[in-house]
Amino acid sequence: AQKVTQAQTEISVVEKEDVTLDCVYETRDTTYYLFWYKQPPSGELVFLIRRNSFDEQNEISGRYSWNFQKSTSSFNFTITASQVVDSAVYFCALSERGANNLFFGTGTRLTVIP
Amino acid sequence: GAVVSQHPSWVICKSGTSVKIECRSLDFQATTMFWYRQFPKQSLMLMATSNEGSKATYEQGVEKDKFLINHASLTLSTLTVTSAHPEDSSFYICSASRGLSGGHNEQFFGPGTRLTVL
Repeated sequence: AQKVTQAQTEISVVEKEDVTLDCVYETRDTTYYLFWYKQPPSGELVFLIRRNSFDEQNEISGRYSWNFQKSTSSFNFTITASQVVDSAVYFCALSERGANNLFFGTGTRLTVIP
Repeated sequence: GAVVSQHPSWVICKSGTSVKIECRSLDFQATTMFWYRQFPKQSLMLMATSNEGSKATYEQGVEKDKFLINHASLTLSTLTVTSAHPEDSSFYICSASRGLSGGHNEQFFGPGTRLTVL
């Protein structure tokens, strides 16, 4: 069974602070894919990253970085120097190879206070 | 590239009426399309998966007679909520994938349709 846990329901930070959003997953498959999506107030999902289970290299994209650790089944997302525009709900998602659907976590609502 | 549109973006209807939501892939052929439902402050839950030209596969607990899905072409899928009731009010999001195995191939999401049933 697939499971994605985002233990942080809501986080508030002051602008320019760094913030890490946690994601822990469960799967029996050895081949799987992990995703992060951003959902701003408009509702549209914005794709941020996809990582397959064989690629444990951490990734940095501008102010965003991701830490994938298979040993702890975690795929955490860090925003450095947060901005008000980062305010959104962030979803971590998992898909197993051959599966059709994405299994979403419950999301973390991030509020960046100016 | 890889743009998915949904129409309408929001709809308000009376209880008992049917509502059709369209999902289009604008610049690619979508072999597989997915329909999700998101209640306020909750996560996205997959309702069904449809492959072009075949019947949709519904997730457990989703009534196929109530949520009719048609994927008649490689660029269009429709979701019809039949005899809508207030509890059907939700945010409906579609996504499209180029491949048959959606998890292996990236899903591109539409902007969503907010349905309010009075």
